[in-house]
Amino acid sequence: GAVVSQHPSRVICKSGTSVKIECRSLDFQATTMFWYRQFPKQSLMLMATSNEGSKATYEQGVEKDKFLINHASLTLSTLTVTSAHPEDSSFYICSANRDYLVHEQFFGPGTRLTVL
Amino acid sequence: GDSVTQMEGPVTLSEEAFLTINCTYTATGYPSLFWYVQYPGEGLQLLLKATKADDKGSNKGFEATYRKETTSFHLEKGSVQVSDSAVYFCALSESPTASKLTFGTGTRLQVTL
Repeated sequence: GAVVSQHPSRVICKSGTSVKIECRSLDFQATTMFWYRQFPKQSLMLMATSNEGSKATYEQGVEKDKFLINHASLTLSTLTVTSAHPEDSSFYICSANRDYLVHEQFFGPGTRLTVL
Repeated sequence: GDSVTQMEGPVTLSEEAFLTINCTYTATGYPSLFWYVQYPGEGLQLLLKATKADDKGSNKGFEATYRKETTSFHLEKGSVQVSDSAVYFCALSESPTASKLTFGTGTRLQVTL
C-alpha cells in the first residue's frame, strides 16, 4: 500500500511551451502533497506544499506564476511549468502524506523534464 | 537555516562489507532525523528515523544513532548485499509533526559480488 505515481516519467518540450505533471496517490487519500525539484548531484529542494481544495504554499524563491500547482482532489495534484525554459530542466518529484507525520511521506518516482 | 551534509559518493563495496555513510546536520531546536532510500526507478522510501537524542533507528539491518553532541546521524550496516545498491538520503525535520523535510545530496551505494 501507499503508492504514489507520477505521469509522465519523462517529457521533452520546446522552450515557451507549458508542461503538466500529474501526481496521484493510488491507494490512499493524501492529506497533503509536496513538490520537490532535484538538480544533478544536489539534494531535493521543496518547491511547494499543497492541501486539497486550498492554495499551495510556495517556498521562498519559487515563482508561483511559473510553477502552478492544483490539488483538485485527495488523490491528485498537478504541477504545471508555464512557459518553460531550458533552466527549468530538472527532475521533479512529488510526495503525499497519508497522515500528519512529516516522515510518512510517500514519494513518486519522479519526472524528468528537458526543455530544448 | 537547517541543512544536511552527506558524504559524497559513489560508495562501492563488495558484498558482506561494512557500510558507513556519514551525515551531519545543522538545525535549531530538536530536529527529527531520517534516512530515506531510493532504489533504481522507484520513489524514495523511509528507511529509518530517530526523533530525539541517543535514539537509534533501525530497519533491514541498517542502523543510525542520533548524536546531538556531534550533530550526526551516520548510517551503518554490518554486511551489505547487492540488493542494497541504491541512493541513500539523510534528512531532517524541525519536529515529528513539522511539514518540511530538508534533504542531503544523497549518496549512491554500489555493492558488487
